[in-house]
Amino acid sequence: EVQLVESGGAVVQPGGSLRLSCAASGFTFDDYTMHWVRQAPGKGLQWVSLISWDGSITYYADSIKGRFTISRDNSKNSLYLQINSLRTEDTAFYYCAKGTGGLITSPFDYWGQGTLVTVSS
Amino acid sequence: QTVVTQEPSLTVSPGGTVTLTCASSTGAVTSGFYPSWFQQKPGQAPRSLIYSASNKHSWTPARFSGSLLGGKAALTLSGVQPEDEAEYYCLLYYNGAPSYVFGTGTKVTVL
Repeated sequence: EVQLVESGGAVVQPGGSLRLSCAASGFTFDDYTMHWVRQAPGKGLQWVSLISWDGSITYYADSIKGRFTISRDNSKNSLYLQINSLRTEDTAFYYCAKGTGGLITSPFDYWGQGTLVTVSS
Repeated sequence: QTVVTQEPSLTVSPGGTVTLTCASSTGAVTSGFYPSWFQQKPGQAPRSLIYSASNKHSWTPARFSGSLLGGKAALTLSGVQPEDEAEYYCLLYYNGAPSYVFGTGTKVTVL
């Protein structure tokens, strides 16, 4: 059974940093492109970033470029999102999602349950 | 700033049919945008329904279908069930950016 479990969400002050994790199981992690998607409370979905199966390709949404870094450790079946210089508008649920293959254009299939990041003083 | 636009809300009767659309501010949506559709119920994570415009995942109910229609991606729900009441989002891939952009979402009410 495919499982994606996010962790690392917290209440953080503006300007702070946070690293989110996504633990994957039930599939061969290093075969698949992975994504981060976020959703501010009561708002729509926003694609954040993707990383190729081997970590060699990373893409980011324009609105978060330079502050967010996606990475993965295939030996630990884990995906990460480092968020720096946090702003109040980064307050959101952060979901990891799996691609159906190793291509950048591989569709999404499975999603985690999300982890909540709250940026507040 | 690329914007992907969906109907804000639609209402459908149980057993009825409703079509949701997904339009890109850059022009016509084609298969090259790899349109996908997702369902999200309150308090839950999104669930993938349709990919590459018209392909279903193994768990996608048969009453959901996807297509390209008049320069937009479309999601049709036929024989709507009460449990289909949810928010639906489309997702498009932009090769030139490159990036993905979610649509604004459509709230479907079954009444």
